[in-house]
Amino acid sequence: DVKVTQSSRYLVKRTGEKVFLECVQDMDHENMFWYRQDPGLGLRLIYFSYDVKMKEKGDIPEGYSVSREKKERFSLILESASTNQTSMYLCASTLGENEQFFGPGTRLTVL
Amino acid sequence: GQNIDQPTEMTATEGAIVQINCTYQTSGFNGLFWYQQHAGEAPTFLSYNVLDGLEEKGRFSSFLSRSKGYSYLLLKELQMKDSASYLCAVRDNTNAGKSTFGDGTTLTVKP
Repeated sequence: DVKVTQSSRYLVKRTGEKVFLECVQDMDHENMFWYRQDPGLGLRLIYFSYDVKMKEKGDIPEGYSVSREKKERFSLILESASTNQTSMYLCASTLGENEQFFGPGTRLTVL
Repeated sequence: GQNIDQPTEMTATEGAIVQINCTYQTSGFNGLFWYQQHAGEAPTFLSYNVLDGLEEKGRFSSFLSRSKGYSYLLLKELQMKDSASYLCAVRDNTNAGKSTFGDGTTLTVKP
């Protein structure tokens, strides 16, 4: 079974802090994605990566950056957290054109 | 880009059949996915259509009409555990095949 893990289930940070969310998948998937999910707004793509060191902006990249130094790991970085970044963050991976496998999610609260 | 519409909420009775519709407008189409998401959990893959027609998988079936930009998910013999949000996602034909998700349909199954 594919396993996608995220570093934290719940995280509380203060405005202005730098936040790292980590995602690791164990099935050698090429493509990895970061989404945020908010009530009434659905899943929105922040960034994605189709290879090591490759990254592309999704629909809402402002305020975020990413890093993919190894194939299995895709990190989402909030350079200076703000209250409007309070959300559920979901990481996913996929092999080629197949379905996405999601991690359990990180519920981030920025105070 | 992609624009995806699905109903916000639906209610059905245990043992019944329910159909959840999804319409989309797309600039590039390379498949449509349905995912199930229980409250507080990550989405999990249900079905995939890339050609027109019906795909059946146990109690769940999914239909696609590319010319109409339309899909539906059919759930038969509803069970209480089917209460969840159902997400329609359209994959584009660019690198990494990223998907755009609808806002989800929250299905409540009542006894």
